This record gives sequence, C-alpha cells and structure tokens, in this order.
Amino acid sequence: KQEVTQIPAALSVPEGENLVLNCSFTDSAIYNLQWFRQDPGKGLTSLLLIQSSQREQTSGRLNASLDKSSGRSTLYIAASQPGDSATYLCAVTTAGGSYIPTFGRGTSLIVHP
Amino acid sequence: DAGVIQSPRHEVTEMGQEVTLRCKPISGHDYLFWYRQTMMRGLELLIYFNNNVPIDDSGMPEDRFSAKMPNASFSTLKIQPSEPRDSAVYFCASSRDDGELFFGEGSRLTVL
Repeated sequence: KQEVTQIPAALSVPEGENLVLNCSFTDSAIYNLQWFRQDPGKGLTSLLLIQSSQREQTSGRLNASLDKSSGRSTLYIAASQPGDSATYLCAVTTAGGSYIPTFGRGTSLIVHP
Repeated sequence: DAGVIQSPRHEVTEMGQEVTLRCKPISGHDYLFWYRQTMMRGLELLIYFNNNVPIDDSGMPEDRFSAKMPNASFSTLKIQPSEPRDSAVYFCASSRDDGELFFGEGSRLTVL
C-alpha cells in the first residue's frame, strides 16, 4: 500500500526566501505525482503534475522534481511571497493497480512580510 | 470551463437526517472521485467512478454512505442517517486519463 509523507508539517519563513517542500512515497512504481495548494476553507488547486516519465515540471516561481528511485519529490518555491501562504499537498497515483491517488497530510506554509 | 461544481457549499443538519451532496464534474473527464477531509485524518478517498461506473468504494465508511453517478455530468453522495462524526468537508474531484485531478470547492457538513 502506497504511503505518502510530507515533511515538514509546518513552515514559517520571511518573505523572499527560497523554499523546498518535501514529499516521499514508499512505492516507486508510480503513474504520476501531483502538487496542490489549499487555502483555508477552499478546495485544492492543482499546481503541477509530473508524469512517471518526467523528471520535473515548472510553472512560474514553482518547480517540482521527481526521483522515483529514491521515492521523493520536492516542490521548490522561489522568492516566496505572503500570498504563497497556504497548505501544500502532494498526491501519488500508483501504477498497475487501482487508479487511486494517495495524499500526504500536507505542509502548512506561512510567509510573513 | 467552470471547473468542478459542488453543492451545497455548507450544510447544517441534525443527527438522523438524510444528507445529499451533489457534484458536476468537468466536461470530458472520465474519472470522478469523492473525498472527505478532516483535521484528524486528512484527505480520505471514499469512492471513485470511471465512465459512470463505481470502481472502488472500499473507502466508504459504512452502509449509511452511498454514491451514484447516473450520467457523465452528475454524481451524488448520500448519507442516511447522518451522525455527528460525519461532520467534515466533502470534496468531489474529476480527471481525464492523464490523471490530473481537479477539485471542487467542497461541501462543509455539520451534523448536530
């Protein structure tokens, strides 16, 4: 059974810092990995999707990498801003079985001015 | 596209009452998922459909929960009878074959 862990659970940083959020998974036979952002009281917003054959994806100040052999993905946020404050979740869909994305518990990020 | 649409956004009901949550997936998406989110357990998958057919309902907590997808543009999640421990935010999500999930805004359920 796939297990997804996100560390740290919470992070507080000053504006302008470059950040790395981590997502680890136990079964490396994955179909894809997706990063989401969730604001309080809102739904999950898709940030980046990395297919199994890809190593990284970029969108604006966000870059996500995937290393299947080590069971890890990182979300890099450049030049953080207060508007980046939210909870970031990763979801891993395992290949070859039920098409079920497994979610981590998320990293709660606060960027203070 | 309007995205995944859920209703109601908020529901407050009393224990024992029937609750029906509704979802309209993104047009052209073949997969539909129902999730429940709580502080204690995070996001839990309840059930998912492929081409309107339920594929895996092993996450449905008990017989009080049921879900249907009568056509490609509509799904319901029903709780009957509701209990206080069902209080949570219920999310619907849809995707195409590439697996990119898109979520609705959620339905916040409070059972008194």
